[in-house]
Amino acid sequence: DADVTQTPRNRITKTGKRIMLECSQTKGHDRMYWYRQDPGLGLRLIYYSFDVKDINKGEISDGYSVSRQAQAKFSLSLESAIPNQTALYFCATSDFRGRARPQHFGDGTRLSIL
Amino acid sequence: ELKVEQNPLFLSMQEGKNYTIYCNYSTTSDRLYWYRQDPGKSLESLFVLLSNGAVKQEGRLMASLDTKARLSTLHITAAVHDLSATYFCAVEQGGSEKLVFGKGTKLTVNP
Repeated sequence: DADVTQTPRNRITKTGKRIMLECSQTKGHDRMYWYRQDPGLGLRLIYYSFDVKDINKGEISDGYSVSRQAQAKFSLSLESAIPNQTALYFCATSDFRGRARPQHFGDGTRLSIL
Repeated sequence: ELKVEQNPLFLSMQEGKNYTIYCNYSTTSDRLYWYRQDPGKSLESLFVLLSNGAVKQEGRLMASLDTKARLSTLHITAAVHDLSATYFCAVEQGGSEKLVFGKGTKLTVNP
């Protein structure tokens, strides 16, 4: 089983719809992150959370919201989806206790907004 | 504001050849990461570089870090087709635990 699980893996929806992407992890990490990836742009940080009560905006948070329901769960919502939010979305986790603390990524959610 | 630049963005090379991917960043940082991404897949952590002069090697890949020059390199030795992927460097922003990614280098190794 994957350590960082994202659902759904693929989603096609229409402009104006509310969408929720979910991320759960079994790694026991406190830190969780949401990124979007667009062709040629690398990954950009949307929101991040250092624990259940600590949620912060990233580089491109407009149009998105998040919820940290538990240490292991971090959800990303698009309140009213628009076509330019079509992208590949990744959730990641990290362990602040390690000096190296690499981020570990889920398999991604491919979101298409028509 | 931290900016991370990779070059080249696209690299086509023949099997058996050597090449280097460069990652420049604009502000001081303690941590630099290299990731690999296969098409349609997740990102896999390759290397973590934590100090000036750090060098890490895994198979045909070797990464190094020069914090004074704000430069990391990913050197590919005797490339093989299985190395075809997109490689990202990511730099931690001032101890914040937030990463800023480069745009990635798409590597294609041809027979």
